[in-house]
Amino acid sequence: GDSVTQMEGPVTLSEEAFLTINCTYTATGYPSLFWYVQYPGEGLQLLLKATKADDKGSNKGFEATYRKETTSFHLEKGSVQVSDSAVYFCALSNTGNQFYFGTGTSLTVIP
Amino acid sequence: EAQVTQNPRYLITVTGKKLTVTCSQNMNHEYMSWYRQDPGLGLRQIYYSMNVEVTDKGDVPEGYKVSRKEKRNFPLILESPSPNQTSLYFCASSLTGFYGYTFGSGTRLTVV
Repeated sequence: GDSVTQMEGPVTLSEEAFLTINCTYTATGYPSLFWYVQYPGEGLQLLLKATKADDKGSNKGFEATYRKETTSFHLEKGSVQVSDSAVYFCALSNTGNQFYFGTGTSLTVIP
Repeated sequence: EAQVTQNPRYLITVTGKKLTVTCSQNMNHEYMSWYRQDPGLGLRQIYYSMNVEVTDKGDVPEGYKVSRKEKRNFPLILESPSPNQTSLYFCASSLTGFYGYTFGSGTRLTVV
């Protein structure tokens, strides 16, 4: 079945460091891929998405490229801030109604 | 303000006592979904709905029921809650799914 595997956390970085959170997927067909972010005590928010191979999703300085050859959708940011501290979830969907989420990666950015 | 509203935010109940968690969205979205979030397991989909009177099971539907009688509401019903249903629950809605979902703030349920 469809599934998403994320790198285990927690991840701790200093402010202005480079961030990579790895995400790989297993799916039939050509799923859409998503990154969601969850701040403490809140629901998930869509961070970015990509709907086909080689698409790059970007938002708030975060980027991820849909790599079909490596079945990956790694999240990157060039310079993290304290306000980026949150839990990040990779997700996929083939249908738009059934979604599969990774287990989440907790990021803490220290000043 | 466009939002998904869940109630209650916190609930402690006893085993076997029926409960309903309400979910309402004001964005006229077709798609709605329920998830549970557990440590180390991420989010798992319980049920989803693509329109009024159209619902389907997600990955973990056992012990839950849903209904979609109106487009804006999608309640989650636990007929006989058990301790293994202690979790953080999220409702979400979307125009088409592929645009991404808007999530509610969550309901933390404890079954003792």
